[in-house]
Amino acid sequence: RKEVEQDPGPFNVPEGATVAFNCTYSNSASQSFFWYRQDCRKEPKLLMSVYSSGNEDGRFTAQLNRASQYISLLIRDSKLSDSATYLCVVTLYNQGGKLIFGQGTELSVKP
Amino acid sequence: DAGITQSPRYKITETGRQVTLMCHQTWSHSYMFWYRQDLGHGLRLIYYSAAADITDKGEVPDGYVVSRSKTENFPLTLESATRSQTSVYFCASSESKGRQPQHFGDGTRLSIL
Repeated sequence: RKEVEQDPGPFNVPEGATVAFNCTYSNSASQSFFWYRQDCRKEPKLLMSVYSSGNEDGRFTAQLNRASQYISLLIRDSKLSDSATYLCVVTLYNQGGKLIFGQGTELSVKP
Repeated sequence: DAGITQSPRYKITETGRQVTLMCHQTWSHSYMFWYRQDLGHGLRLIYYSAAADITDKGEVPDGYVVSRSKTENFPLTLESATRSQTSVYFCASSESKGRQPQHFGDGTRLSIL
């Protein structure tokens, strides 16, 4: 089992749609969580950190469920510019802060 | 606001050659990282550094050498390039090893013929 698993996608949605990505992690020692986006093999860019209480940044909402070892990202009112690959990232403090990247979920927003 | 820069952006070389990829950051971040990204593998950590003169292996260190004589620079050297090292290489930096997010450079697209 992979340490971080994401929906493989691709997700093809129309503009204005709401889309949710799921991510599960296997190591309960995971302590920090992030969502990154990556465009066409360009560099990954931090989208948002994920906090235990959940957090929102404009159209983006991240949730963390430690009991289920599950992270989600919700994008509301999706834009064409949201088309990218979304990477779920967890940190393993019991392994010296090792970052584990998910394989990514591809999103394509269509007009 | 340069942030983190990598050079060259593109490189083509031949097997057996030595090639060095450069990474420079202006944030004075303690930690720096080198990743490679290949289709089907996602991002894999090659080496990282916690501070000047402190480096450690990541997931796929074989065939690579790093150094960190100055906090702002973290070059990655392929001592004798092989075709399997054809990849996109990303450098990243962070204030910490896991509690803070990493910030990535633009990447170097390396092809080994």
